[in-house]
Amino acid sequence: DVKVTQSSRYLVKRTGEKVFLECVQDMDHENMFWYRQDPGLGLRLIYFSYDVKMKEKGDIPEGYSVSREKKERFSLILESASTNQTSMYLCASSASTGGNEQYFGPGTRLTVT
Amino acid sequence: GQSLEQPSEVTAVEGAIVQINCTYQTSGFYGLSWYQQHDGGAPTFLSYNALDGLEETGRFSSFLSRSDSYGYLLLQELQMKDSASYFCAVRDFYGGATNKLIFGTGTLLAVQP
Repeated sequence: DVKVTQSSRYLVKRTGEKVFLECVQDMDHENMFWYRQDPGLGLRLIYFSYDVKMKEKGDIPEGYSVSREKKERFSLILESASTNQTSMYLCASSASTGGNEQYFGPGTRLTVT
Repeated sequence: GQSLEQPSEVTAVEGAIVQINCTYQTSGFYGLSWYQQHDGGAPTFLSYNALDGLEETGRFSSFLSRSDSYGYLLLQELQMKDSASYFCAVRDFYGGATNKLIFGTGTLLAVQP
């Protein structure tokens, strides 16, 4: 059974803190993605990676960075958390073949106070 | 810009049929997907259309008309467990085989007894 796991289900951080969100997939997928989900805005792509150490900006990369040192792990970093980064963060992975199917993790609900 | 339009909410009764429409305006198009997300859960893949026509998977069917930049998800014999948000997503070409998706804002389906 395919699996994408995220390090925390809920997280509360203070403004200005550095925040790490971790994502691990066990499907040997080449592609990994970070989205944020806000009411009425759907899923918006922050960053994605198509290979180890490779990364590309999505639609809303400002205030975020990513790291992919191993194929199975993709980290999202908030260098200095701000209140407008309070959101649900979803990680996903997909194979380089297989078209449109992405597998999502359970999400991390981050609150920045 | 790139956009996918979906109704924000749809209500139907158990046993009925409901259609959720999606119109898209994107710079690239390599297929239309549909995802289901229950409240508090992760999005899960439902279907994918690369070519015009109807794809059927059990009670769910998905349709695509590339000339009209339009698709829909059809849910038959509605059950209470079908109450969820439904997202359409367009596959955008990044490079190689990466399947970057652009998501719509989602349609909240409420199934009533």
